[in-house]
Amino acid sequence: KNQVEQSPQSLIILEGKNCTLQCNYTVSPFSNLRWYKQDTGRGPVSLTIMTFSENTKSNGRYTATLDADTKQSSLHITASQLSDSASYICVVSRFSGGYNKLIFGAGTRLAVHP
Amino acid sequence: DVKVTQSSRYLVKRTGEKVFLECVQDMDHENMFWYRQDPGLGLRLIYFSYDVKMKEKGDIPEGYSVSREKKERFSLILESASTNQTSMYLCASSLDQGVVNTEAFFGQGTRLTVV
Repeated sequence: KNQVEQSPQSLIILEGKNCTLQCNYTVSPFSNLRWYKQDTGRGPVSLTIMTFSENTKSNGRYTATLDADTKQSSLHITASQLSDSASYICVVSRFSGGYNKLIFGAGTRLAVHP
Repeated sequence: DVKVTQSSRYLVKRTGEKVFLECVQDMDHENMFWYRQDPGLGLRLIYFSYDVKMKEKGDIPEGYSVSREKKERFSLILESASTNQTSMYLCASSLDQGVVNTEAFFGQGTRLTVV
């Protein structure tokens, strides 16, 4: 079954600290993996995209990793800021029948406290 | 920048009403999607469309229908709203399903409450 599991479900950290969010998937055939950030009351916005051959990709203070062998990805946030408070959603794309189908994780809700 | 606009941020409707959720995108994208988002469940695909007047069922189409008369507009219709359709609804668009790394761009969401 094509699934995306994220952990933890929620996380509270202090401003300035680092954190790592996890994503495990069983999607096949794998096309790519994106991390989205969703602010409260807003639609998700893409942070990074990783394809099968990529291990690490950075976007400012966000660094995503991908291990295609173990089907795991992580999103590391460095020197967190209050504006990082949001839900982070792992989305795996499955390319089949000529189109991409997006499989969404349930998200990790991050709260950054001063 | 791609802009996906949903007609309402918040809606309150009564059980049994017919509800229309409208979505417009301004980047000439072929593909448009409707998702619902519920706590702990992630986004679930209701319907999608890869061309004008074309539609495909997603994972949870029951109780919903869609309309795409123009390329830029994709409407979600709740024929007879029920309380279990209370949710956040998100519209998205993407350039081309045949492009492996195409990105989905989302609207701001419509929080629908059915009472």
